[in-house]
Amino acid sequence: ILNVEQSPQSLHVQEGDSTNFTCSFPSSNFYALHWYRWETAKSPEALFVMTLNGDEKKKGRISATLNTKEGYSYLYIKGSQPEDSATYLCAPPSRYSTLTFGKGTMLLVSP
Amino acid sequence: DAGITQSPRHKVTETGTPVTLRCHQTENHRYMYWYRQDPGHGLRLIHYSYGVKDTDKGEVSDGYSVSRSKTEDFLLTLESATSSQTSVYFCAISESWSSGGTGELFFGEGSRLTVL
Repeated sequence: ILNVEQSPQSLHVQEGDSTNFTCSFPSSNFYALHWYRWETAKSPEALFVMTLNGDEKKKGRISATLNTKEGYSYLYIKGSQPEDSATYLCAPPSRYSTLTFGKGTMLLVSP
Repeated sequence: DAGITQSPRHKVTETGTPVTLRCHQTENHRYMYWYRQDPGHGLRLIHYSYGVKDTDKGEVSDGYSVSRSKTEDFLLTLESATSSQTSVYFCAISESWSSGGTGELFFGEGSRLTVL
């Protein structure tokens, strides 16, 4: 079982604030890192699948960076909006693309 | 949206009864997974399938069995349900890198199971 750590566990920001979270994962035998967004009462949805060291992905106001050598990834949200409120999960895949999810960072954005 | 249907969506049962959850996909993806969601634990993998009749255990497989007799269906069975199996169960699918996929998981809507 892979050890995946996410921090902080939860975060409460005001609308318009920018924020970032961290995902730490084993750097040995790395080949990808997934980020998912999970809104309350819904199903998780993929944000990014990152594979290359130094990779940076962007989707609207959300972006992510990856450092495979030291085993961490950052997720950034610029100008947070209430609709960004969700739990953000990261997961490195293993055999047959099975994902070991971290416990997530719960983000609450207040208007 | 990926075509994934879970059934039933809600079920209440009693301790000791058998329960089967069904996951049906219309995407012809090779891999299928069952996860459970629990407070403080996030999503944990129960079992997964890497092809028809090919399955393996995940992190929390005790008390569960699975079957996949055709590509589109993946069944999760609780032979004798216990209260500790009260949870929300998510099915997910993905396509292999060798078939042009990214390994991204597409999730079903979840099945809420309550064992009394």
